[in-house]
Amino acid sequence: EVQLVESGGGLVQPGRSLRLSCAASGFIFDEYAMHWVRQAPGKGLEWVSGISWNSGTKVYADSVKGRFSISRDNAKKSLYLQMNSLRAEDTALYYCAKEIGIVVVRGAFDVWGQGAMVTVSS
Amino acid sequence: SYVLTQPPSVSVAPGETARITCGGDNIGRKSVNWYLQRPGQAPVLVIYYDGDRPSGIPERFSGSNSGTTATLTISRVEVGDEADYYCQVWDSSSDPPGVLGAGTKVTVL
Repeated sequence: EVQLVESGGGLVQPGRSLRLSCAASGFIFDEYAMHWVRQAPGKGLEWVSGISWNSGTKVYADSVKGRFSISRDNAKKSLYLQMNSLRAEDTALYYCAKEIGIVVVRGAFDVWGQGAMVTVSS
Repeated sequence: SYVLTQPPSVSVAPGETARITCGGDNIGRKSVNWYLQRPGQAPVLVIYYDGDRPSGIPERFSGSNSGTTATLTISRVEVGDEADYYCQVWDSSSDPPGVLGAGTKVTVL
């Protein structure tokens, strides 16, 4: 079964850091680009960041550029999101998502995790 | 940055056809994906690359994209189709490349 499981969420104070992880199984992880998408409580979806299969391409939304960093470890079949200088507006459910196409980065996500909740509050 | 415009809500009777629009500047030149999200659940990809359907998605779901509007069409609407629907554009030449619409709540009357 193809599966993505996020971890690392929690309550953090403004200005602090947090690292999310996403463990993949059931597919050849190193063939696919991966992404993070978030959803603030009661709000819509927001694409956050994406990384190509070989980490050669990393892209970010304007709202997190310079503060968040995406990475992956293909040997461990894991995706990460390092979040620094967190703000209240970063409070959201963070989803890990897999590209539908092999190798390409075209932003179509066919597999999603159940999400990790990040709450930024003092 | 690029802006996508979706109607906040669409209502449709069971068995009828629902059309959800997604407007954007020259969106016809970009690749559009569509997701549905039921309450408390993760999103589900229903249309990708303008008009392709992932495996397991019924043929009742179709997509088109031209000019300034992309459209998701749901034929023979069922009660289970009630959800929030989001359009998404990916343009590798833009920064940022990924943009999502604000979502459309589809209500099946």
